[in-house]
Amino acid sequence: NIVMTQSPKSMSISVGDRVTMNCKASQNVYNNIAWYQQKPGQSPKLLIYYASNRYNGVPDRFTGSGYGTDFTLTINSVQAEDAAFYYCQRIYNSWTFGGGTKLELK
Amino acid sequence: AVQLVESGGGLVQPKESLKISCAASGFTFSNAAMYWVRQAPGKGLEWVARIRTKPNNYATYYADSVKGRFTISRDDSKSMVYLQMDNLKTEDTAMYYCTAGDIGTTAFAYWGQGTLVTVSS
Repeated sequence: NIVMTQSPKSMSISVGDRVTMNCKASQNVYNNIAWYQQKPGQSPKLLIYYASNRYNGVPDRFTGSGYGTDFTLTINSVQAEDAAFYYCQRIYNSWTFGGGTKLELK
Repeated sequence: AVQLVESGGGLVQPKESLKISCAASGFTFSNAAMYWVRQAPGKGLEWVARIRTKPNNYATYYADSVKGRFTISRDDSKSMVYLQMDNLKTEDTAMYYCTAGDIGTTAFAYWGQGTLVTVSS
């Protein structure tokens, strides 16, 4: 079974900073990756699909990249409302999630 | 607008059974694969089960952690998806979310608000 590993587990960022978080697949998953944002007490929200496609209504400060086994979610000019957990997920043939990255604002 | 509304969660004892439901609206339910995802308290997301559409023979898939104990099903006439959970364990305690994809994404674009299942003696 493919394992999705996210890093770092948590990060503390100031408003306006640029943040990068990582997702590594234990095997080649091509571009079959999605990214989700989950705020406390809320259901997850789809941000990115097929590694780099921004979903409807997602601000363009969110960018996904990568292929194969290494993927990145970048948030340019972080806003206060971006404080949340972020999860990557393999999206084809299995739907395994990574362990998540917690983004906190200083 | 797409809506997914879960129901049926509650407190059950270990080894008991529970069936949770999800009512879907706002999209062509019969054309959509449906999924259940769970989240234990303070933990991350875990995909649980998937059911495909009638043209795909309603094929089902399960996470190893629930295989043989959980059964996903659907009723296209009612736009409902279900999760029958048997032989429940304390580690099945979680918020259970019903999810669905959007055309062309394969990802989980639509989520319900979740229903809480607590397994405890």
